[in-house]
Amino acid sequence: GAVVSQHPSWVICKSGTSVKIECRSLDFQATTMFWYRQFPKQSLMLMATSNEGSKATYEQGVEKDKFLINHASLTLSTLTVTSAHPEDSSFYICSAFYIAGAPLGETQYFGPGTRLLVL
Amino acid sequence: GNSVTQMEGPVTLSEEAFLTINCTYTATGYPSLFWYVQYPGEGLQLLLKATKADDKGSNKGFEATYRKETTSFHLEKGSVQVSDSAVYFCALLNYGGSQGNLIFGKGTKLSVKP
Repeated sequence: GAVVSQHPSWVICKSGTSVKIECRSLDFQATTMFWYRQFPKQSLMLMATSNEGSKATYEQGVEKDKFLINHASLTLSTLTVTSAHPEDSSFYICSAFYIAGAPLGETQYFGPGTRLLVL
Repeated sequence: GNSVTQMEGPVTLSEEAFLTINCTYTATGYPSLFWYVQYPGEGLQLLLKATKADDKGSNKGFEATYRKETTSFHLEKGSVQVSDSAVYFCALLNYGGSQGNLIFGKGTKLSVKP
């Protein structure tokens, strides 16, 4: 159980266009989802916390007008990269908070990631 | 600030060899510590965790002990298998921040040869 999916798995777009990435919890409801960004050979960096039915909470330095997050249901959060530029090329990963059985307990389950390349 | 440092890979081992991946951290207060694993083509999965000093997290033959005196959480496995080939991430969560504010290390790629 506790599977998180992302769509698409990779996307190539032209500079100036917008790209939407979906994150779904397939077999559980997630009131809280998280969006991370990972550069090559770097660690994951939290971008924002997505809360169902309310505005997302962005980490310092993340432009909320550029990275639009919508968490309209308990199983879906979307990240839209608006007016994408080459520097937005990265690996975007979402996760959902879930309470599993022992020994893991409360934990985050991660999606497989979406690779974005902006030309 | 909070940070995690883990040994750089790649690490290449033969099947049944002993594995150690070092992880040290810097944090204020009393963070929880985690090891995540990412198999090829899949998302990050929680492997094990420890929430307080001297706790030992264990799962699937892997274990790690929360050592406050050395600020370490080294991952070990006595006998690795080819199926353990993956990227391993050490992470910490310092309560007081957002739920999602996991601080990750850069990851260590493990390759196990038959």
